[in-house]
Amino acid sequence: ILNVEQSPQSLHVQEGDSTNFTCSFPSSNFYALHWYRWETAKSPEALFVMTLNGDEKKKGRISATLNTKEGYSYLYIKGSQPEDSATYLCASVGANDYKLSFGAGTTVTVRA
Amino acid sequence: EPEVTQTPSHQVTQMGQEVILRCVPISNHLYFYWYRQILGQKVEFLVSFYNNEISEKSEIFDDQFSVERPDGSNFTLKIRSTKLEDSAMYFCASRAIHTGELFFGEGSRLTVL
Repeated sequence: ILNVEQSPQSLHVQEGDSTNFTCSFPSSNFYALHWYRWETAKSPEALFVMTLNGDEKKKGRISATLNTKEGYSYLYIKGSQPEDSATYLCASVGANDYKLSFGAGTTVTVRA
Repeated sequence: EPEVTQTPSHQVTQMGQEVILRCVPISNHLYFYWYRQILGQKVEFLVSFYNNEISEKSEIFDDQFSVERPDGSNFTLKIRSTKLEDSAMYFCASRAIHTGELFFGEGSRLTVL
């Protein structure tokens, strides 16, 4: 199991503001980095699966970058909306197997 | 849109009892997983299943746990002789073949008293 860290643990954002947060993971033996969005009482929903160093992915107002050499990924939310309130989980996948090792998540609360 | 379904959504059981958690993964997926989250802790990998057998399991997944896919659709997690520390949300997931992303069910909350 890989040691995946996310920071901050939680953050509060004013509606309309942009924000970002970090996922760090072991850079050795890296295969893929997943981001999931998890709303209360729902199932985690995949946002991005990233594999290549320098990769950038975008879905609507949410985007992510990946640095596999230094072992971090950023998730960005542009122009936050109340519906963006959720816990964002990242998970790292090692090259030897396809077990996802999850971070503890960053809980985002967007205030109207 | 296809989805992973889990039953029950919540089960309360007495310590020492056996529990079966059921999952119906997405039909054309080949890899299936159980994860759990103890309240306030990280989501933890339990086991992965491929081609009707366990492909990986964690240290958590000891002899108390077992999985099977008896009829080609349901994917079950059995917990024998439950303990208080088994109380958690258990998530089933199946993996998309091409993208690798996991599709999760809504979870089964297990409360052991």
